[in-house]
Amino acid sequence: EVQLVQSGAEVKKPGESLKISCKGSGYSFTSYWIGWVRQMPGKGLEWMGIIYPGDSDTRYSPSFQGQVTISADKSISTAYLQWSSLKASDTAMYYCARLGGYVPNWFDPWGQGTLVTVSS
Amino acid sequence: DIQMTQSPSSLSASVGDRVTITCQASQDISNYLNWYQQKPGKAPKLLIYDASNLETGVPSRFSGSGSGTDFTFTISSLQPEDIATYYCQQYDNLPPGGGFTFGPGTKVDIK
Repeated sequence: EVQLVQSGAEVKKPGESLKISCKGSGYSFTSYWIGWVRQMPGKGLEWMGIIYPGDSDTRYSPSFQGQVTISADKSISTAYLQWSSLKASDTAMYYCARLGGYVPNWFDPWGQGTLVTVSS
Repeated sequence: DIQMTQSPSSLSASVGDRVTITCQASQDISNYLNWYQQKPGKAPKLLIYDASNLETGVPSRFSGSGSGTDFTFTISSLQPEDIATYYCQQYDNLPPGGGFTFGPGTKVDIK
């Protein structure tokens, strides 16, 4: 079974750094793009960026370029999303998802989500 | 950037009703249009990929159609377990210059 398991909920203060993770299993981790999606409280889905773990090729949404860093460690089949200085506006649920398709264009499956709360 | 318009933003229907949601892209996206279901407190789930293909294990009452700029998602007979928010999502090449966009969502509940 293809599965993505994300790290647990985080509570941080503004200005702190954070790195959350997404571990893949049940498939060749290096052969599929992994994407990150933000969902702010009560809002819709926003694509943040994608990474190809095979060669660490990373692409960002213009809205998130420079705001976050996406990385991967293929030796442990894990992708990461990190912030160097959190803001209250980063409070959201963050999902990772595998990209599928001959032309990789749909997200499936999804991780269970990591809730990030940033509050002083 | 390609913009996605999804309508309606919410709807209320009776069990057994036919429910239709539309999604319109601001430019031609061929058939790179996917539909997701998100139940409260849960991660999104892929239902339809490439505009009209039913994901394995998804009930056949769900269907999708369209190409180019205009797409339709249908639940042929609404069931209580279909209460959720539904999102369309488009793809227009890998970034830079392209990317993925989700529609604003349609919240479906039972009348």
